[in-house]
Amino acid sequence: NAGVTQTPKFQVLKTGQSMTLQCAQDMNHNSMYWYRQDPGMGLRLIYYSASEGTTDKGEVPNGYNVSRLNKREFSLRLESAAPSQTSVYFCASSEGTSGSGEQFFGPGTRLTVL
Amino acid sequence: GENVEQHPSTLSVQEGDSAVIKCTYSDSASNYFPWYKQELGKRPQLIIDIRSNVGEKKDQRIAVTLNKTAKHFSLHITETQPEDSAVYFCAAWMDSSYKLIFGSGTRLLVRP
Repeated sequence: NAGVTQTPKFQVLKTGQSMTLQCAQDMNHNSMYWYRQDPGMGLRLIYYSASEGTTDKGEVPNGYNVSRLNKREFSLRLESAAPSQTSVYFCASSEGTSGSGEQFFGPGTRLTVL
Repeated sequence: GENVEQHPSTLSVQEGDSAVIKCTYSDSASNYFPWYKQELGKRPQLIIDIRSNVGEKKDQRIAVTLNKTAKHFSLHITETQPEDSAVYFCAAWMDSSYKLIFGSGTRLLVRP
């Protein structure tokens, strides 16, 4: 099993450009999450999906949109990138729909917005 | 608001010594407290977790304690080894808002 995979690994954007970060898991997990990690600030939840067909805002949703395409895939879209969105983005998944269990993280996407 | 505070931000210990990292949380309804280890350039990985109906949990050299009354929990690593060097994050699950809130991390350096 590959676990949680993310593409791309690295990306450089110019201010105003758009892009979609892809995430997939092969563990048949119900819940999926998108976090951003900035130096000295830990991991902050952007959006989550407790089950296929549902999505909800996390702590820092502004400037982002998500799509739970099916049970395996959960994408994060930046419609108009800003320098403040320079960060490392992690996708994660967990087995249950309640969320209070181990979260498995992908390898991350390092995004730079110029 | 929902908040998890983690201390210290950096910790340097001699190999073989113990290391303790402490976290406090704001929401008394929190019921799940995981600890993640993140090596440089890698993804976070769960090392131990505890639920609110338990006061202590051990796994070999790692233990976590929880004081619900004081709303704080701690990670204890005994007999530290150089491979324990990493950033450690505590987190608290907020059942009311369906969010896992992370602390800001502790960079642990184990000196050989």
